[in-house]
Amino acid sequence: GENVEQHPSTLSVQEGDSAVIKCTYSDSASNYFPWYKQELGKRPQLIIDIRSNVGEKKDQRIAVTLNKTAKHFSLHITETQPEDSAVYFCAASKVGGGADGLTFGKGTHLIIQP
Amino acid sequence: GAVVSQHPSRVICKSGTSVKIECRSLDFQATTMFWYRQFPKKSLMLMATSNEGSKATYEQGVEKDKFLINHASLTLSTLTVTSAHPEDSSFYICSATGPYEQYFGPGTRLTVT
Repeated sequence: GENVEQHPSTLSVQEGDSAVIKCTYSDSASNYFPWYKQELGKRPQLIIDIRSNVGEKKDQRIAVTLNKTAKHFSLHITETQPEDSAVYFCAASKVGGGADGLTFGKGTHLIIQP
Repeated sequence: GAVVSQHPSRVICKSGTSVKIECRSLDFQATTMFWYRQFPKKSLMLMATSNEGSKATYEQGVEKDKFLINHASLTLSTLTVTSAHPEDSSFYICSATGPYEQYFGPGTRLTVT
């Protein structure tokens, strides 16, 4: 089955700096890669996703890049703010739009230092 | 739109008893729902895929007789943890396939004493 690796497990950055979280996946059939933000005790919230026919997607301060050849994708957050502090999970599935179960990475605890 | 609810939000039960958790899609129909388990400070692990009107598909290592899933309607899936033990204590989260993505429920914190 699919295996998703995520790094780093903890990331501390100064407010205003950029944060980058990286994930790799193993199943070349995966073609949907969402990123979730989860605050303690809350449900995961989709912040951005990318499908395999696209190499990059941006939404304001958040961007995701995908390299299908290398089987890795990354989350980029620019101009970080205190409210960006949370745990971020990458995930992969074979069918886009949520019709398939997601395989999650282990998560990255992002800490924004004031 | 696209709201998923779970009930209860928290439950404490004694070892050996069974607990039922409900997952509802409130404003859309979901032919497919998923159940995940999340241990403290860990990632979400897919337990099973619940399809309306058919048997659930379980992930490797998940006991189907222990985690009973029923998806009797297009808006409701239930997870019953049977003969619960302390090691089953966890955060159980469901999700439903909506118009554009998977929509997650708020989760159920299960504590088995």
